[in-house]
Amino acid sequence: KNEVEQSPQNLTAQEGEFITINCSYSVGISALHWLQQHPGGGIVSLFMLSSGKKKHGRLIATINIQEKHSSLHITASHPRDSAVYICAARPWNAGGTSYGKLTFGQGTILTVHP
Amino acid sequence: NAGVMQNPRHLVRRRGQEARLRCSPMKGHSHVYWYRQLPEEGLKFMVYLQKENIIDESGMPKERFSAEFPKEGPSILRIQQVVRGDSAAYFCASSPRDRETQYFGPGTRLLVL
Repeated sequence: KNEVEQSPQNLTAQEGEFITINCSYSVGISALHWLQQHPGGGIVSLFMLSSGKKKHGRLIATINIQEKHSSLHITASHPRDSAVYICAARPWNAGGTSYGKLTFGQGTILTVHP
Repeated sequence: NAGVMQNPRHLVRRRGQEARLRCSPMKGHSHVYWYRQLPEEGLKFMVYLQKENIIDESGMPKERFSAEFPKEGPSILRIQQVVRGDSAAYFCASSPRDRETQYFGPGTRLLVL
């Protein structure tokens, strides 16, 4: 079982729909990242969060540390949001510290139709 | 401020040759991370470097792979005697300090014939 699991693996939506992508992790983490990988392959960092909620434009990310769960929401989805969305956890290491090494989920392929 | 730069963007090698992948972090960033994305698979951590130091190489294959980040110049990921299974996209990311947002380069697509 992967340390970071995403659902769904594939998501198809109509333009304007509200979208939720879920991420669960099984290890203790110091932060969780949400990334976007474009069809051309480039990767953009969307959020880094360790508690609560962050918002940027139509994107909202939340995290519940106790439940080891994070969600990425997209409001008023648009075809240009079509991409692979990846959550990545920054785990604590054996020494109780944490550094930038990331453990990735498998990604959610989002397709938004006009 | 230029983003993270990687070159080459595409690299074709025959089995047994060496591959050298370069990563120039964003200006002011002294932390570099290398990740590999095999075909139809997710990203996997390979190595984390600071200037002149390897901090964590737990994701590097034991043989043929090495990485460096010298005082001057780009970070280099070196793969000796490449095999077909090395075909993948190799991404580097940089951050100004540890535990901060990582900025990704465009990746190098390595194809081993």
